[in-house]
Amino acid sequence: GAVVSQHPSRVICKSGTSVKIECRSLDFQATTMFWYRQFPKQSLMLMATSNEGSKATYEQGVEKDKFLINHASLTLSTLTVTSAHPEDSSFYICSASPGLLETQYFGPGTRLLVL
Amino acid sequence: AQKITQTQPGMFVQEKEAVTLDCTYDTSDPSYGLFWYKQPSSGEMIFLIYQGSYDQQNATEGRYSLNFQKARKSANLVISASQLGDSAMYFCAMRRPGFQKLVFGTGTRLLVSP
Repeated sequence: GAVVSQHPSRVICKSGTSVKIECRSLDFQATTMFWYRQFPKQSLMLMATSNEGSKATYEQGVEKDKFLINHASLTLSTLTVTSAHPEDSSFYICSASPGLLETQYFGPGTRLLVL
Repeated sequence: AQKITQTQPGMFVQEKEAVTLDCTYDTSDPSYGLFWYKQPSSGEMIFLIYQGSYDQQNATEGRYSLNFQKARKSANLVISASQLGDSAMYFCAMRRPGFQKLVFGTGTRLLVSP
């Protein structure tokens, strides 16, 4: 099956610093990747759709200047949480699919803790 | 707007028994896709099964089957012969035609006991 990786798996940072999370599709190319956020015991909330070679599409209420997304290649999308604060602490998970009508496969997620 | 409803916050089942996890959806689109994902405590989202709205037969994947009742707008997941490793959160999701975005339900936590 299709494999999506994420790095790092967990990160602890100080308030005010920026954190970059990478999402890679290992065995397929993905023109579109998705970034989700999940709070404890809650469902996944779509943050943005990452489009290779163009700007990301953000969901309503998600600050695009806070959560910078770069989809530099067909196998890599990055999410940068800028000037992180404790309320940004969460589980961030990405997904990608090999094609428009294909199943979405998820990365293992990144646990971010901002102190 | 699309909406997925999972009314069971938690379910318990004994090992080797079957369990049904409920999922209802609301959409005005005639074509859509329905998915079930499993999320163990490690956090990864594992794809289990897919059902297209025009599929004539209910989807099956090993011990997983989807009880798709289009008129009732329900897509329940049936896990047969439960195993301890099935203990996890289970999410139902829907995708609109022409879009890759998924809309998720709130999830059901399944606990399988020995």
